[in-house]
Amino acid sequence: GGIITQTPKFLIGQEGQKLTLKCQQNFNHDTMYWYRQDSGKGLRLIYYSITENDLQKGDLSEGYDASREKKSSFSLTVTSAQKNEMAVFLCASSKGGEDTQYFGPGTRLLVL
Amino acid sequence: QQQVRQSSQSLTVWEGETAILNCSYENSAFDYFPWYQQFPGEGPALLIAIRSVSDKKEDGRFTIFFNKREKNLSLHIKDSQPGDSATYFCAAMNTNTGKLTFGDGTVLTVKP
Repeated sequence: GGIITQTPKFLIGQEGQKLTLKCQQNFNHDTMYWYRQDSGKGLRLIYYSITENDLQKGDLSEGYDASREKKSSFSLTVTSAQKNEMAVFLCASSKGGEDTQYFGPGTRLLVL
Repeated sequence: QQQVRQSSQSLTVWEGETAILNCSYENSAFDYFPWYQQFPGEGPALLIAIRSVSDKKEDGRFTIFFNKREKNLSLHIKDSQPGDSATYFCAAMNTNTGKLTFGDGTVLTVKP
């Protein structure tokens, strides 16, 4: 078994601020993902990484940067937070692209 | 056009009934269909999944029925329990790309 840890659990930012979310996994998985979940909506893929130092854009990459510093960690940066933005950012990992994705508990973002 | 569509935003059943959650998809290249269960404050967790070569997958009280010709599938939860109350996401993947596409979710409430 393994676990995905996301920090922080809650993030309150100001409009225009650059905000960074972090994700760690101890599954020893190759592939990691960042999704955004808006209230009442499904998950939308922001970025994913199939190996250390790899980065692939998802459907919602505009306004975000990501970095796969090492195999176990994947960070996401909101480059300029938008006022009244409220969403949950979910990190996931999988052994390979076709395999089961395991999700972390999420980081809840609120921009004032 | 939404690639994966869940027909109900919410569904309420009584304890002991069978809950049926429906899903349809657009892309005939999708060949892997996982259902995820999400409780409030947590990330989604894989519940059960089916590949397009099968028309039925059963795991305890949970069964997926899959119709490739009609491009739809359904999740049946037999003998529903209050503890099954959660949001259920239908997802689809073309295993050549490894990217999951999620529906908007169905909120299931099981009344005791």
